[in-house]
Amino acid sequence: EAGVAQSPRYKIIEKRQSVAFWCNPISGHATLYWYQQILGQGPKLLIQFQNNGVVDDSQLPKDRFSAERLKGVDSTLKIQPAKLEDSAVYLCASSLDPRRMNTEAFFGQGTRLTVV
Amino acid sequence: GNSVTQMEGPVTLSEEAFLTINCTYTATGYPSLFWYVQYPGEGLQLLLKATKADDKGSNKGFEATYRKETTSFHLEKGSVQVSDSAVYFCALSDSGATNKLIFGTGTLLAVQP
Repeated sequence: EAGVAQSPRYKIIEKRQSVAFWCNPISGHATLYWYQQILGQGPKLLIQFQNNGVVDDSQLPKDRFSAERLKGVDSTLKIQPAKLEDSAVYLCASSLDPRRMNTEAFFGQGTRLTVV
Repeated sequence: GNSVTQMEGPVTLSEEAFLTINCTYTATGYPSLFWYVQYPGEGLQLLLKATKADDKGSNKGFEATYRKETTSFHLEKGSVQVSDSAVYFCALSDSGATNKLIFGTGTLLAVQP
């Protein structure tokens, strides 16, 4: 079974530039998550989709971050404009419907963003 | 709000030593508890989980018991190997509909031959 795919693996941009990350979840997984992992910290949820609707975006800095999940499959996360403090690993994860018991989230390898 | 606190690293052990990584949590309701592992250059992988009090999760020689009375989920392994060197994250998911994971800060384990 193919896992969660993310691209690019690495990205270096200057502050105030824009950047986009892409995620392809495991086939059939209704739920998709974007997490931000700053060096030395645990992952923090940015946004959660159920199919193509947003379930939780309370931690998403909406003045600069945006995300979409068209057709309930692939998703993109965008930062515009980037700040130095956005340097982090951005993790995508997917799971079956969380309303079912004992669902497991599967993570991609992440995109490491460096803002200089 | 819900939170997870785990012991700071790095933890450095010799091969075949006993491992304990402490994890405590604060949560309302009845969360599920998880240990995730991140090997160098790889993504997060679920190591083990427990969904209710007194459950014991186990995998690859690691185990952890959901202790509601002490709000703890400590990770243990009787004999570590060099290949266990990784960052270990304790996490909980709320009992609501979102299944959102809340992670601790991670503990780096380095096992020396």
